[in-house]
Amino acid sequence: AQRVTQPEKLLSVFKGAPVELKCNYSYSGSPELFWYVQYSRQRLQLLLRHISRESIKGFTADLNKGETSFHLKKPFAQEEDSAMYYCALRLGYSSASKIIFGSGTRLSIRP
Amino acid sequence: GAVVSQHPSWVICKSGTSVKIECRSLDFQATTMFWYRQFPKQSLMLMATSNEGSKATYEQGVEKDKFLINHASLTLSTLTVTSAHPEDSSFYICGAGAPGFDTEAFFGQGTRLTVV
Repeated sequence: AQRVTQPEKLLSVFKGAPVELKCNYSYSGSPELFWYVQYSRQRLQLLLRHISRESIKGFTADLNKGETSFHLKKPFAQEEDSAMYYCALRLGYSSASKIIFGSGTRLSIRP
Repeated sequence: GAVVSQHPSWVICKSGTSVKIECRSLDFQATTMFWYRQFPKQSLMLMATSNEGSKATYEQGVEKDKFLINHASLTLSTLTVTSAHPEDSSFYICGAGAPGFDTEAFFGQGTRLTVV
C-alpha cells in the first residue's frame, strides 16, 4: 500500500543549527515526491519537488530510492522556517494523479 | 503560483442539515480537484479526486452519498456534506491541478466545519 511516513511530529532546533526532517515512503511505482509547507494561518504551498532538484529557501531534499526516503535538509535554520512541513507522494506523473500526505512535522526554530 | 480559493472559510451548522463548500481556481482552469479532510494534529486524508465533467473517484471508506462532490466547471468544485453530524466536524481542504502546471497542485485555505 502507498504510504508516507514522517516519524517526527515536532522538531525543535536553535537558529543557525542544521535541520533534517525525515520522510519515508512506500510505493510500488515510480514515486514523485514533494515537500509542502504551511506557515501559521496560511495555506499549504509547495516548497520543493524531487524532480526539479532545486534548493528553495536553503532547503534541499534528495530522493533515495534504496532507502525509500526523501528527507528535507537545511544547513542553517532561520526563525522564519518555523512552520508545518508535509512530505507528499504523487501516485503518477499527471496532474490528475492522487497526492497522499505524511502526517506532518512541526518545525520550531528557537532564537 | 496559481490561486485556489475556498468558501466559506468556516461554517457552523446544525446536526442533520447539509452544508456546501466551494473550491474555485481563480486564475487557471483546474482539470482535477482533490478534496482532503484534516483532523486536529493529523495529516490530510484524501477523500476524493474529481475531474471536470466526470464523477468523482472516492477513496475507500469515504461515503459518496454523504460527501457529494461536483466538478461542473473547470474553475469550480463543490463538496456537500449531507445530513451532517458532529463527527463530520473537521477541516476540509481542496487542491487543484492542471496539465499546464506539470504535477504541482495548489491548495485552498481550507474550510473549518463545525456541526453542533
